[in-house]
Amino acid sequence: EIVLTQSPGTLALSPGERVTLSCRASQNIGGDYLAWYQQKAGQAPRLLIYGASSRATGIPGRFSGSGSGTDFTLTISRLEPEDFAVYYCQQYGGSTGTFGQGTKLEI
Amino acid sequence: VQLVQSGAEVRRPGSSVKVSCKASGGTLSTQFITWVRQAPGQGLEWMGGIIPASGTRDYAQNFRGRLTITADESTRTAYMELRSLTSDDTAVYYCAGSGSFYKGGYWGQGTLVTVSS
Repeated sequence: EIVLTQSPGTLALSPGERVTLSCRASQNIGGDYLAWYQQKAGQAPRLLIYGASSRATGIPGRFSGSGSGTDFTLTISRLEPEDFAVYYCQQYGGSTGTFGQGTKLEI
Repeated sequence: VQLVQSGAEVRRPGSSVKVSCKASGGTLSTQFITWVRQAPGQGLEWMGGIIPASGTRDYAQNFRGRLTITADESTRTAYMELRSLTSDDTAVYYCAGSGSFYKGGYWGQGTLVTVSS
């Protein structure tokens, strides 16, 4: 089973700043089947990025994903107040899907 | 497509629970349906999924033997049944769908399952 490790666990930033979140896989994720989600308290997760770098429908351009193999990143170019939430990566290749433990962005 | 899940459940340890996930505004058969849970204050845990068009079901190793995922295409409803419940199974259970692969393109609202004696 592929294990995903996200870093850092928590990040305190201010609106307007740029942030890069990391997701490292224990083995190669073939096909770059890596997604990123945003989750706010009391809500279901929302898909931001799939295929490592493709933005989901309706996701603002300030969100971007990159990486391949075992190292992936999510970048938010300029933080808006509504971006403070928990972010998860997920690998979904093959017949299973595993999540990272999450990174919390706080003001 | 929107997914609407059944309501909150309370179960005793050792019992089972079955949560439903109904698709509206589209068909279930061409989708990949995934079940994910989230214990209080914890992260997301992938449980398993089903591809109704092919009948393929996949389960995370942690749940094999006590989890069954099914789908009824005639009612556009997917189901998740978890057996031999313990307090560690107390969580919000989500269904999610996607046109390809077990990723969560769109999500149900979540169902809280509480296991308590």
